[in-house]
Amino acid sequence: GAGVSQTPSNKVTEKGKYVELRCDPISGHTALYWYRQSLGQGPEFLIYFQGTGAADDSGLPNDRFFAVRPEGSVSTLKIQRTERGDSAVYLCASTGVGANVLTFGAGSRLTVL
Amino acid sequence: AQKITQTQPGMFVQEKEAVTLDCTYDTSDQSYGLFWYKQPSSGEMIFLIYQGSYDEQNATEGRYSLNFQKARKSANLVISASQLGDSAMYFCAMRERGTSYDKVIFGPGTSLSVIP
Repeated sequence: GAGVSQTPSNKVTEKGKYVELRCDPISGHTALYWYRQSLGQGPEFLIYFQGTGAADDSGLPNDRFFAVRPEGSVSTLKIQRTERGDSAVYLCASTGVGANVLTFGAGSRLTVL
Repeated sequence: AQKITQTQPGMFVQEKEAVTLDCTYDTSDQSYGLFWYKQPSSGEMIFLIYQGSYDEQNATEGRYSLNFQKARKSANLVISASQLGDSAMYFCAMRERGTSYDKVIFGPGTSLSVIP
């Protein structure tokens, strides 16, 4: 695709529910990042994929958060038993081989009531 | 420990004037990259400029330049001839890569307001 696509753009859920956020990176981009951005703060690193494997998942806050990228393209961030503190904008970014610049999607705004 | 520090939570600049946004970083890696991104109120993250740690020249992109001082671990963004459309949040970021890690981390940001 022309850019990084994230769906849904907005998600409202209740505490305790399960949520999936999807990221479709730029075609051919092998590296994919997930970030969480709370209001008034900088993006917080969650996980980085190189191809299908999670090369660095040190930013995932706890075991309720999990991400997959089974075919090396689309990635899904999964949040179990959501809590109100999970409310944030979840950003996805991708970059190509040998490139440094991350191209971001528009983000998925998650609100946990 | 904070890896990226941006000490100016908010800055004001007169239209057409230049402004410097500060960024200091902390890393023990020899090879790393530094970025600046702009985030307007719409929320999109817009890439502005990149500097590699081994680049000898300071990076420039149009009205943006990066004042890279490696020994001081600073990577300040200079915006020349400010425009009203420059009003936004600005984030400094650093990419570190090792055998068991690869991440790009962001600072807390600086809010820039351009005054007509």
